[in-house]
Amino acid sequence: SQQGEEDPQALSIQEGENATMNCSYKTSINNLQWYRQNSGRGLVHLILIRSNEREKHSGRLRVTLDTSKKSSSLLITASRAADTASYFCATPGGSNYKLTFGKGTLLTVNP
Amino acid sequence: DAGVIQSPRHEVTEMGQEVTLRCKPISGHNSLFWYRQTMMRGLELLIYFNNNVPIDDSGMPEDRFSAKMPNASFSTLKIQPSEPRDSAVYFCASSLEAGGVYGYTFGSGTRLTVV
Repeated sequence: SQQGEEDPQALSIQEGENATMNCSYKTSINNLQWYRQNSGRGLVHLILIRSNEREKHSGRLRVTLDTSKKSSSLLITASRAADTASYFCATPGGSNYKLTFGKGTLLTVNP
Repeated sequence: DAGVIQSPRHEVTEMGQEVTLRCKPISGHNSLFWYRQTMMRGLELLIYFNNNVPIDDSGMPEDRFSAKMPNASFSTLKIQPSEPRDSAVYFCASSLEAGGVYGYTFGSGTRLTVV
């Protein structure tokens, strides 16, 4: 069963704009991760935020975590055409392994 | 490091045939995972190995599926006999530690088509 669910399912923006994707999850977690998948490729780990963190930055990426609402957001600033991909949130299951993924947000950045 | 290496990249086979997918994890990673990705079901964890030992195979859909990890540098996922509903992209991933606190590294996947 899906632990995390991303929203929206699809997002289309212009180059230079910011893109925000959200993730909701069901059970308590010790960390939440975001991955990117380019078409026809494997997933690439972007960033991990621990349950005791509220915000984390990595380059143009900003991730927030609200454990009280069981939600996270991924913000990509100043988007580029190369950011076009599917973005997934992932959380460890109850046994702290078994990373489960949502169905992803398909981001299209138009040049 | 070349990353997680999967072979073949593409496999087309007839229903009823045996299919073997291969994976070489990153050296030093003690956790290995097989996932299946479809449009309908998204990414599903099939099986998890820790130090070459299968820990959780609850995601393996049927007895037709089996996975082995004979050593730290090689794993296989076998489907016998294959069926059209097995068509999907199969990913292998490895990690330094199962909880994923170091993130998972995925291979490029094997796109399996069963006709």
